[in-house]
Amino acid sequence: AQSVTQLDSHVSVSEGTPVLLRCNYSSSYSPSLFWYVQHPNKGLQLLLKYTSAATLVKGINGFEAEFKKSETSFHLTKPSAHMSDAAEYFCVVSDLGQGAQKLVFGQGTRLTINP
Amino acid sequence: GAGVSQSPRYKVAKRGQDVALRCDPISGHVSLFWYQQALGQGPEFLTYFQNEAQLDKSGLPSDRFFAERPEGSVSTLKIQRTQQEDSAVYLCASSLANSPLHFGNGTRLTVT
Repeated sequence: AQSVTQLDSHVSVSEGTPVLLRCNYSSSYSPSLFWYVQHPNKGLQLLLKYTSAATLVKGINGFEAEFKKSETSFHLTKPSAHMSDAAEYFCVVSDLGQGAQKLVFGQGTRLTINP
Repeated sequence: GAGVSQSPRYKVAKRGQDVALRCDPISGHVSLFWYQQALGQGPEFLTYFQNEAQLDKSGLPSDRFFAERPEGSVSTLKIQRTQQEDSAVYLCASSLANSPLHFGNGTRLTVT
């Protein structure tokens, strides 16, 4: 079965500094990986996805992630944090069950931005 | 266009009551998923529909949980004889085949 581990439950950075949210995956085949963001009382929004094309994936709002097979990692980064980035972030792997794209979520990383 | 709509937004139920949660997917989306998100956790898969067919219900935690999508559009998640451990946010998502999921804002269920 596919799984993801988010290495930090909480990350705090200052506005304007880089963001790094870490994720390791476990998969028996070439995985599809995603990052989703969840703002308070809002739905989950897709930030970016990796599906075996380019290993460096660019997403919305200046986020990007790099797929590293040798390290089984898919870390999320952003060069400069903005106050509006404060939210919960989920690393997700797709588990093909019954032909459906069943998503397996990590435990989440809460990102706090300090002014 | 409209996104995935879930109702009610909040539901408080007394232990032992039955509840029904509704999901209106994006028009034309054949795939529909239900997820359960406990406080401080990531969402966990409950069940999946392709049109009106329930193809995977492996994530339903007990036989008190039942989902349907009779006409391949609106879906209802029903929980019978609610227990405190059922308290969570229930998320619905829809998609076209092999496309990213679009999530609703969820229904927050509190069982007292």
